[in-house]
Amino acid sequence: ETGVTQSPTHLIKTRGQQVTLRCSSQSGHNTVSWYQQALGQGPQFIFQYYREEENGRGNFPPRFSGLQFPNYSSELNVNALELDDSALYLCASSSKLTGGNSPLHFGNGTRLTVT
Amino acid sequence: QKEVEQNSGPLSVPEGAIASLNCTYSDRGSQSFFWYRQYSGKSPELIMSIYSNGDKEDGRFTAQLNKASQYVSLLIRDSQPSDSATYLCAVNAEGYSTLTFGKGTMLLVSP
Repeated sequence: ETGVTQSPTHLIKTRGQQVTLRCSSQSGHNTVSWYQQALGQGPQFIFQYYREEENGRGNFPPRFSGLQFPNYSSELNVNALELDDSALYLCASSSKLTGGNSPLHFGNGTRLTVT
Repeated sequence: QKEVEQNSGPLSVPEGAIASLNCTYSDRGSQSFFWYRQYSGKSPELIMSIYSNGDKEDGRFTAQLNKASQYVSLLIRDSQPSDSATYLCAVNAEGYSTLTFGKGTMLLVSP
């Protein structure tokens, strides 16, 4: 059983640019959650996708958007990048069928640096 | 505003000692509690989950939960230098698969 995979591993962008991060969910999982972890902080919930629709959102502006595809893989898009968007972006998959108490297992993350 | 509080540390312990990591949370509706270990530059790795009051042991790790006090802790027995990492406490409410994390406690185990 494959785990959660994220790409790319590292990314450097310039302020004002747009970026797309990708996540392949673990086999059998239909829900994908994205988190942002700034240096020295705990991960912060961005949003969650279930059956290709947004199913919950944290305190992030609309320039953070996402997609989920029929195979449950997902993308995180960030427009108009700001310096404070520099962070480790984490993806986790889970299964709604197991309820909300299942632990989340994260992918290896994408390290985004905005200059 | 749901909050999870942890002492940022660093918590320094000698090899072989017991490391005690603590976490408090504000949302009384929290039902599930998790401890993640995060090595520098890596993603968080789940090491313990606990759902009911009391202790849960897994190898050298023991998680303790007291919902009345809104307190959860992690004990690491026989600490090893390889345990040196940041430990993140995370909680979620019933029926929700989103986690609220603390900022983490850095643990340093010296040989």
